[in-house]
Amino acid sequence: KNQVEQSPQSLIILEGKNCTLQCNYTVSPFSNLRWYKQDTGRGPVSLTIMTFSENTKSNGRYTATLDADTKQSSLHITASQLSDSASYICVVSGNTGNQFYFGTGTSLTVIP
Amino acid sequence: DAGVIQSPRHEVTEMGQEVTLRCKPISGHDYLFWYRQTMMRGLELLIYFNNNVPIDDSGMPEDRFSAKMPNASFSTLKIQPSEPRDSAVYFCASSLAAPALGAEAFFGQGTRLTVV
Repeated sequence: KNQVEQSPQSLIILEGKNCTLQCNYTVSPFSNLRWYKQDTGRGPVSLTIMTFSENTKSNGRYTATLDADTKQSSLHITASQLSDSASYICVVSGNTGNQFYFGTGTSLTVIP
Repeated sequence: DAGVIQSPRHEVTEMGQEVTLRCKPISGHDYLFWYRQTMMRGLELLIYFNNNVPIDDSGMPEDRFSAKMPNASFSTLKIQPSEPRDSAVYFCASSLAAPALGAEAFFGQGTRLTVV
């Protein structure tokens, strides 16, 4: 069964600290993996998209890694800011058709 | 471009009433997606269109739900009759190319539906 699991479910960190969010998936065959940031009351916004051959991709203070062998991805946030408070969603696409498999998200709260 | 535009932003309706949600995708995008988001189930893909043609509607929960895309710049998601369990945030998204090829999907602000 194709699934995407994220951990932790929620996380609270101090402003300026780093954190890492995890995403494990069982989707096969695999096409790409995306990390989205969703602010409260808004639609998700793409942070990174990685294909099978990519191990890491950065977008400012956000760095995503992918291990296609172990089917794991992580999103590392460096020097967190209050504006990083949001839900982070991992989405995996299979390469048969255009199916998406969503994680339930990690809720991050950055406190001053 | 103003991005994906959804209307209304909020909708409160009584059980049994018909509800129509609207979406205007980004101009030139060939793919349009309808999603539903709840606290319990997270984001779920309901249906998607390619060049105005419905490709996969396997996520549509039941016959009460229907979606149309009469032209490249407009799509609707209709629920008739609505039920309290339909309460959720409904998102529309569009992309320039097939997501399987890594194309980025752009989401609208969503419509928060409450059925009482």
